[in-house]
Amino acid sequence: GQQVQQSPASLVLQEGENAELQCNFSTSLNSMQWFYQRPGGSLVSLFYNPSGTKHSGRLTSTTVIKERRSSLHISSSQTTDSGTYLCALERGNNYAQGLTFGLGTRVSVFP
Amino acid sequence: DMKVTQMPRYLIKRMGENVLLECGQDMSHETMYWYRQDPGLGLQLIYISYDVDSNSEGDIPKGYRVSRKKREHFSLILDSAKTNQTSVYFCASSLYGGIYEQYFGPGTRLTVL
Repeated sequence: GQQVQQSPASLVLQEGENAELQCNFSTSLNSMQWFYQRPGGSLVSLFYNPSGTKHSGRLTSTTVIKERRSSLHISSSQTTDSGTYLCALERGNNYAQGLTFGLGTRVSVFP
Repeated sequence: DMKVTQMPRYLIKRMGENVLLECGQDMSHETMYWYRQDPGLGLQLIYISYDVDSNSEGDIPKGYRVSRKKREHFSLILDSAKTNQTSVYFCASSLYGGIYEQYFGPGTRLTVL
């Protein structure tokens, strides 16, 4: 089964609303990254966050290893936040095994 | 300025033709990766390179091979491309493997007719 589960699959927001995106994983992790992607666009790294809480502007990422989950909080959403948010975990222990991605949460923010 | 580049950005090929996708990075990163992204499947790992001439298969290596002769360059080769290899291909790099952030290139959109 899918090792990385993201929820919800899609989310519609009115500008100014907050949102919480979830990422649950069924395997041990070495690191966790959150990405943002516009349709047909490149991957923009938002957070590299293997554990704990990190902040960047209106975004907050929290990873709790023993609960095997990570979350991305968007506060005061803006129309420019629209796009797909992907979480990914590195499976490797002592050497790289590559990132395993979730299928993403598609966020649409309307004015 | 940390950067991963990919060439070409768009490519159309006919079934059976050979395809070469190029990736470069200017960060002296040891580890490089190739992924492909398909609707409904997400991003999947094709190959990892741990350094020059040190490559390892990822989750979906069938139909692909790679070459890394210089640390800053990593190539993905499709010998006799198939229509099911139509996809968006992303290259990434990290300082070392495992516990370091991965940096992604802009992607190459490949269409095989």
